[in-house]
Formats: sequence, C-alpha cells, structure tokens
Amino acid sequence: QEQLVESGGGVVQPGRSLLLSCAASGFSFSLYGMHWVRQSPGKGLEWVAAISYDGSDEYYADSVKGRFTISRDNSQETVYLQMNSLRSGDTAMYYCVKLGNSGSWLLAPFASWGQGTRVTVSS
Amino acid sequence: IQMTQSPSSLSASVGDRVTITCQANQDINNYLHWYQQKPGKAPKLLIYDASKLETGVPSRFSGGGSGTHFTFTISSLQPEDFATYYCQFYDNFLWTFGQGTKVEIK
Repeated sequence: QEQLVESGGGVVQPGRSLLLSCAASGFSFSLYGMHWVRQSPGKGLEWVAAISYDGSDEYYADSVKGRFTISRDNSQETVYLQMNSLRSGDTAMYYCVKLGNSGSWLLAPFASWGQGTRVTVSS
Repeated sequence: IQMTQSPSSLSASVGDRVTITCQANQDINNYLHWYQQKPGKAPKLLIYDASKLETGVPSRFSGGGSGTHFTFTISSLQPEDFATYYCQFYDNFLWTFGQGTKVEIK
C-alpha cells in the first residue's frame, strides 16, 4: 500500500528556514515524479514545487521561486522541501504528492497524497 | 492559461444530480483532473484525464469534456459526497488548481 508521511512542520519566525521531509513506501519511488502542494487556512489548493523521478528537473511556483528548493534521495525514498526566507503567506498545510501513471510525468494526475505537515510562520 | 471553476459553492440534497464546470481560456487537451477534499483531510483523486475514473471510486462520479470546457458530475449525491471539489491541470511547467467548489447540504 502506497504511503507518504510528511514531517518537519512547525512554528517558525519570518525570515527563518524550515526543512520538510516526505518518506515514501509501498511503491517504486525512483520511478515517479513528486510534488509539494500547500493549502493556507480556509483557502484552496496551491501547487508549490515538482521534481522529476531522477531529480534532474525541478519546477516551482512563482510565489516560492528563489526561496524554496525541492530535492529527493531515491536511496532513502524521501523527497524534501527546503524553505528559506519564510513569510507569513507561507503559512499552510504542506502535502507531499505522488503522481499517477501517464505517458508524461508532466501531465500525470496527483494520485496519492500524504496527510500533510503544518507550517506556521509567525513572530 | 486561466481556468475558471464554477460554481464556488452549491447546496444540494441527497439524491440530487450535481455538475461542476472548469473552463479554460486555451486548449488543454484532456489533461484535466478532479479531486475531492473533505474537511481536515488530504485531497483524493477521483477523475483523471477528464473522464477516467480512478480505481475504487464509485461510478456515480463522472467527468467529461475536452479542449477548454470540462464537467464533473455526481449522478446521485450521497451523504459522504459533501466536500470541496477541485479541478487541476498542467501548462508550461506550472500545475494549477481551480478555485474549488464546496458542495453543501440543502
């Protein structure tokens, strides 16, 4: 059974950094692109970042570009989100997402989601 | 590409037929996906590639459309279907969700 378990969330002051982790199990992790999606309190879903199956390609939402970095360790079956220069607008639940099958990973649906880890940016 | 999901909310009764639409301003082929999110829970994939039912999802859920206009339908609303629904698509290395539709009990 596929499982994604996020960790690393918490309360952090503006301008500080936080590292989120997502441990995967139950599928061939190294074959799938992975994403991070966030949801601010009471708001809709916002895509944050994506990484290809081998880590060679990374993409970011404009709202986090230059501040966040997505990475992965296929030997540890883990994907990371390094968040720097955090702002109050980054306060959200952060979900790790595994893609479904598709001819292109860019077009694949978001098939499996973790339970999320909450990040609160506040002084 | 801009995507408009409507309505933002609706009230319906158990047994009702419910339809939600996502309208794009450019052709996105059929790469449009639909998700359900219940309060305090992670989203769940229901429909992918506009009309394909995800494994294990009840057949009362369906999707249609292509190009720029897409629909999501619940043929007979059940108590467990009261939730928020989102469409999602990919364009030019960006992944975007619709604004969401909250389905509430009438």
